[in-house]
Amino acid sequence: AQSVAQPEDQVNVAEGNPLTVKCTYSVSGNPYLFWYVQYPNRGLQFLLKYITGDNLVKGSYGFEAEFNKSQTSFHLKKPSALVSDSALYFCAVRGSGAGSYQLTFGKGTKLSVIP
Amino acid sequence: NAGVTQTPKFQVLKTGQSMTLQCAQDMNHEYMSWYRQDPGMGLRLIHYSVGAGITDQGEVPNGYNVSRSTTEDFPLRLLSAAPSQTSVYFCASSKPGYGYTFGSGTRLTVV
Repeated sequence: AQSVAQPEDQVNVAEGNPLTVKCTYSVSGNPYLFWYVQYPNRGLQFLLKYITGDNLVKGSYGFEAEFNKSQTSFHLKKPSALVSDSALYFCAVRGSGAGSYQLTFGKGTKLSVIP
Repeated sequence: NAGVTQTPKFQVLKTGQSMTLQCAQDMNHEYMSWYRQDPGMGLRLIHYSVGAGITDQGEVPNGYNVSRSTTEDFPLRLLSAAPSQTSVYFCASSKPGYGYTFGSGTRLTVV
């Protein structure tokens, strides 16, 4: 069975500092990896994905994520945090095999950017 | 392009009542799914469908039914609502090799 772990329930960072939100995964075969963001009382918005290719993936709003196959990790990063980045972040994984549609989510990490 | 449309946005039910949460997508996606989101639990898969006429259970299917008569629609039925089904429900759709597109959610309260 596939799974995702987000080891931090909450991450606090000062505005302007770099941020990292951690994610590790388990899946059979090659992974498809995703990050989503959820603002209060809103749906989930797609940030970025890793399917294949370059291990550093760039996404929306200046976010990027680094795929590390040996560590089975896909950490979300941003060089300089904004107050408006404060939200709930979800990492998700699905398998790459034919018919592997099911997307499994981590429990989420609440990011608070302090002015 | 509407994407994934969920209705209603809010609903209050009494214990034992039934209702249907509607989900429609206009992107011709094969795959559709329903998740529930509860605090500290992330999103948990209720049911999913890989195409018209094909549905299967996810992680937390009890108390819910689905059907997929067309590619566009994937309604979720609560047969006899219970307070434990108080949650925010998200519908999502996808095609092979892509991420999911989510609806805006339905906030359900069962009293």
